[in-house]
Amino acid sequence: NAGVMQNPRHLVRRRGQEARLRCSPMKGHSHVYWYRQLPEEGLKFMVYLQKENIIDESGMPKERFSAEFPKEGPSILRIQQVVRGDSAAYFCASSRPLSEQYFGPGTRLTVT
Amino acid sequence: KQEVTQIPAALSVPEGENLVLNCSFTDSAIYNLQWFRQDPGKGLTSLLLIQSSQREQTSGRLNASLDKSSGRSTLYIAASQPGDSATYLCAVSQGGSEKLVFGKGTKLTVNP
Repeated sequence: NAGVMQNPRHLVRRRGQEARLRCSPMKGHSHVYWYRQLPEEGLKFMVYLQKENIIDESGMPKERFSAEFPKEGPSILRIQQVVRGDSAAYFCASSRPLSEQYFGPGTRLTVT
Repeated sequence: KQEVTQIPAALSVPEGENLVLNCSFTDSAIYNLQWFRQDPGKGLTSLLLIQSSQREQTSGRLNASLDKSSGRSTLYIAASQPGDSATYLCAVSQGGSEKLVFGKGTKLTVNP
């Protein structure tokens, strides 16, 4: 049973470009969460999704960031017009309802 | 607003020692508490999950306790080994929301 998969593992973007981060949850998991870990800071919640629905996006920046979890395919975290402050590790987690969250290996985004 | 604090921020011990990591949270209305391990540049590995109705959980050399009324949890590691060196993170989820609120972690070094 494969764990949570994220790709790419490393992503380099120039300022102003778009970044797309993908997350495939564990088999049987219907809930997906995105967290961000800035250098020297703890993990911060960004968004919680179920299939085709955003349940809680209280941690998402209001501009440039969006997330989706379509009926088919992985969840996508999209960052438009990236800036240097977006450089961070982005982690995806998945779970069954009200259960333990399992984390992926993360995508390390570097904005140059 | 829930806040999670972990003390100490860093800990260095000789191999074989038993040790305790501390986690405190400000809002006792939690649904569950998870302890994770994070190795440098890697994702999070779930160690133990304690539901709010439980007092402790054990896995191998690890034992986690939860005192919800006082807003505290401890992670006890018995007979520490160099392979236990990592950052240990505590996270809580609130009733009604499945997002996790993380502490900043305790960086553990076990010296051979």
